[in-house]
Amino acid sequence: GAVVSQHPSRVICKSGTSVKIECRSLDFQATTMFWYRQFPKKSLMLMATSNEGSKATYEQGVEKDKFLINHASLTLSTLTVTSAHPEDSSFYICSARDHGSGPDTQYFGPGTRLTVL
Amino acid sequence: GENVEQHPSTLSVQEGDSAVIKCTYSDSASNYFPWYKQELGKRPQLIIDIRSNVGEKKDQRIAVTLNKTAKHFSLHITETQPEDSAVYFCAASMGGGNKLTFGTGTQLKVEL
Repeated sequence: GAVVSQHPSRVICKSGTSVKIECRSLDFQATTMFWYRQFPKKSLMLMATSNEGSKATYEQGVEKDKFLINHASLTLSTLTVTSAHPEDSSFYICSARDHGSGPDTQYFGPGTRLTVL
Repeated sequence: GENVEQHPSTLSVQEGDSAVIKCTYSDSASNYFPWYKQELGKRPQLIIDIRSNVGEKKDQRIAVTLNKTAKHFSLHITETQPEDSAVYFCAASMGGGNKLTFGTGTQLKVEL
C-alpha cells in the first residue's frame, strides 16, 4: 500500500512553545490529507481536512488559530500546534488519500507523540 | 453528522476461535466502510473495506458484512492467531473522498 511518513515521531516541549509536525506522502500525490488526534485507549478524532492549495476545513470545536495547517504541495501537509499547553499533549496522526487505491482509501502516518511540559 | 457505534469494547478469544466485531452507523448516505487494525503505539492499518453496493467481502481469514437496511456492518476474523491481538476500528464515510467517522474501537486479545 501507499506510504505516509510523519516527522517527528516524538516531541517534548515547554508550555508556550510552538511545534510543527510534518506529514508526507512518499510514493503518491495526496490532494487531501487529514489530521487526527488520539488520546490513550481512545478513538481517532478528526481535527481537520487539509486540501492542497486551499484553506483547511476544521471540525467543530477545533481552534483554527491554535492548530495551523498548511498543505503547500501534493506530498506535504504540516500541522503547527501554537502556544502549546499540557492539555495539547496527545498522539497526532495524519492520513492521506491515495486516489490510485480508490478515492476513499486513507493511509495513515506513524503518528507523533507530543508531550507538553 | 455521522455517528458510529462499535461493540464490544473488549473481546477475548482463544487461539483458533472466531472473532466478530459489530458497528452501526446513523447516516444512510454513508457508503464506504473500512476497518483498521492498530497495534499499541503504531499507525492504524487498513485491513479490509466494503462499499454499500456489496453485501460481503472476504480476504483470507478476514471478512466484512454489510446490512444497509439495518445500517450495521461487522468484521469477522476466523482462525484467530496471537498476532491478531490489537485494537480494531470501524469507520464510515459518504465516499467521494469525504471524511471518515471512526467507531470507538475494540481491543481484541487472542489467548494461547
